[in-house]
Amino acid sequence: EAGVTQFPSHSVIEKGQTVTLRCDPISGHDNLYWYRRVMGKEIKFLLHFVKESKQDESGMPNNRFLAERTGGTYSTLKVQPAELEDSGVYFCASSQFPVAGGPGVEQFFGPGTRLTVL
Amino acid sequence: ELKVEQNPLFLSMQEGKNYTIYCNYSTTSDRLYWYRQDPGKSLESLFVLLSNGAVKQEGRLMASLDTKARLSTLHITAAVHDLSATYFCAVAAYGGSQGNLIFGKGTKLSVKP
Repeated sequence: EAGVTQFPSHSVIEKGQTVTLRCDPISGHDNLYWYRRVMGKEIKFLLHFVKESKQDESGMPNNRFLAERTGGTYSTLKVQPAELEDSGVYFCASSQFPVAGGPGVEQFFGPGTRLTVL
Repeated sequence: ELKVEQNPLFLSMQEGKNYTIYCNYSTTSDRLYWYRQDPGKSLESLFVLLSNGAVKQEGRLMASLDTKARLSTLHITAAVHDLSATYFCAVAAYGGSQGNLIFGKGTKLSVKP
């Protein structure tokens, strides 16, 4: 079974440009999460989709970031316009919808997209 | 606000030695995760700990959880070079099983011959 995939693996752009990151979750996983790790800092939560709906976007840093998950399959995260402080590694994770009364579900992570804004 | 602190952040050990990585968190949570990351790779799930006193072992790694102390440990027994990686602990932010995770800064482990 294919894992979580992310594209591109690396992106180098100039300040003010636009970048779109893509995440393909594991097939059948309704939950999709975006996280970000800025150099030297913790991995931080950005937002959570359940199918195509945004369940929690409390971690989105500002309105330059726009995430979508049309059709509840893959997701995109667009940064427009990019700023220097947006540089970091963007991780996507997915998990199944939990079974009622069951244990917590595991989040499976993709390899990340390393974004460098010059 | 839930915070997760790991220590040490850097750990250099010799093969064959034992060591423990500590993960403290600030408020109640019902799930704690340990992940491993090799350079340029995904975060690989190692353990999911759900209850007080939970202990799980896989090979040379053993994780435990004390929810009263809000502490988890990852114990490394007789380290080998293949264990060199960055290890993260993460705690579920909210009750329930779908919430996002709050991560520690990670412990970069280097095992030397």
